[in-house]
Amino acid sequence: EDQVTQSPEALRLQEGESSSLNCSYTVSGLRGLFWYRQDPGKGPEFLFTLYSAGEEKEKERLKATLTKKESFLHITAPKPEDSATYLCAVQGNFNKFYFGSGTKLNVKP
Amino acid sequence: SAVISQKPSRDICQRGTSLTIQCQVDSQVTMMFWYRQQPGQSLTLIATANQGSEATYESGFVIDKFPISRPNLTFSTLTVSNMSPEDSSIYLCSVLRVGSNEKLFFGSGTQLSVL
Repeated sequence: EDQVTQSPEALRLQEGESSSLNCSYTVSGLRGLFWYRQDPGKGPEFLFTLYSAGEEKEKERLKATLTKKESFLHITAPKPEDSATYLCAVQGNFNKFYFGSGTKLNVKP
Repeated sequence: SAVISQKPSRDICQRGTSLTIQCQVDSQVTMMFWYRQQPGQSLTLIATANQGSEATYESGFVIDKFPISRPNLTFSTLTVSNMSPEDSSIYLCSVLRVGSNEKLFFGSGTQLSVL
């Protein structure tokens, strides 16, 4: 069965405390893996797309990596404004997207 | 990127009424989708909005409840009909930019509360 699983469901960090979020998938015909940031009551904001194992992308304090079975979103020295829900989605065949349930990140000052 | 304007951004509606949500994209796109996100849940695809033809609905969603229009390649509407409190959700318009690097972008969402 095609599915995407994110862990942990929630993560509390102190400001400056680096950590990683995980997105594991069992989707056949992977065409891309997407990371989004979502603030409460808003639409997901696009962060990264990864297309092949070994690929990495960075944006400010965020770095996304991809293997054949999972992706990590590394957050280095987070700030309170990084608090949000981070969603992972996998694009399979026929433009079908599978979404994880998200990781709710709370960064305390 | 894609600039997607979605309105209204939020609304509070009475049971039994209908609400139409509009989605305007800054350039032509082939693939446009409507998603629902219930409180504390992930995204669920309602339908693919097809230009010039009937939308393609996912299992559990029907045209009578969620009629969709797509008159051109930059605009679509989703109507939530005969609303009940269970319809309280965030509704999201999204577009797929195709090409060598495909990207799925979302509008800012419509937060709907049904009393």
